[in-house]
Amino acid sequence: QQQVKQSPQSLIVQKGGISIINCAYENTAFDYFPWYQQFPGKGPALLIAIRPDVSEKKEGRFTISFNKSAKQFSLHIMDSQPGDSATYFCAAQGNDNNNDMRFGAGTRLTVKP
Amino acid sequence: EAEVAQSPRYKITEKSQAVAFWCDPISGHATLYWYRQILGQGPELLVQFQDESVVDDSQLPKDRFSAERLKGVDSTLKIQPAELGDSAMYLCASSRYASGGADEQFFGPGTRLTVL
Repeated sequence: QQQVKQSPQSLIVQKGGISIINCAYENTAFDYFPWYQQFPGKGPALLIAIRPDVSEKKEGRFTISFNKSAKQFSLHIMDSQPGDSATYFCAAQGNDNNNDMRFGAGTRLTVKP
Repeated sequence: EAEVAQSPRYKITEKSQAVAFWCDPISGHATLYWYRQILGQGPELLVQFQDESVVDDSQLPKDRFSAERLKGVDSTLKIQPAELGDSAMYLCASSRYASGGADEQFFGPGTRLTVL
């Protein structure tokens, strides 16, 4: 059922560094690509999302880069902070009859102080 | 800030027993989702409701799982009988608009089920 492939599985970054998480999808009917952040014991929370009509979206320290032709998108966290330590999920959803949200397997990010 | 409520937060049961989870979505949200999240994986959709109607239950193991949203507000997910492989986090989410288009989903804190 996994139609979204996410890498790396885990990531360790020093405080102030850049965290980069990558995702690839197969279904060209997907037209909404959110990133969710999940802390232990909590449900996922929407962090930032993009639609394929733009190649980049930035909100504060978080940026999504989107490559429609390659069917890939990535999350960049600038100036990573220890408070960013969490599991990040990319997802994709279509706007057709089969519009289930498909999640990647997740990336556990650890930001070392 | 409105949140999706779920209970219980934790449930331990023995295999072959029945378990039930409850979800109260954000007020006014038309669409409700139940997901299962196995440790180390992303959430996978079990069932999706629009108001009180099921719009997608293709991934719900119907021999043992059932879900209802009788009045189009809160929802219950039941497993009977529970099996060892059902151990997972069960997440409820809701979104404002009717299904058919991409819309932000708001997740509850989940129910962590352990089947012994």
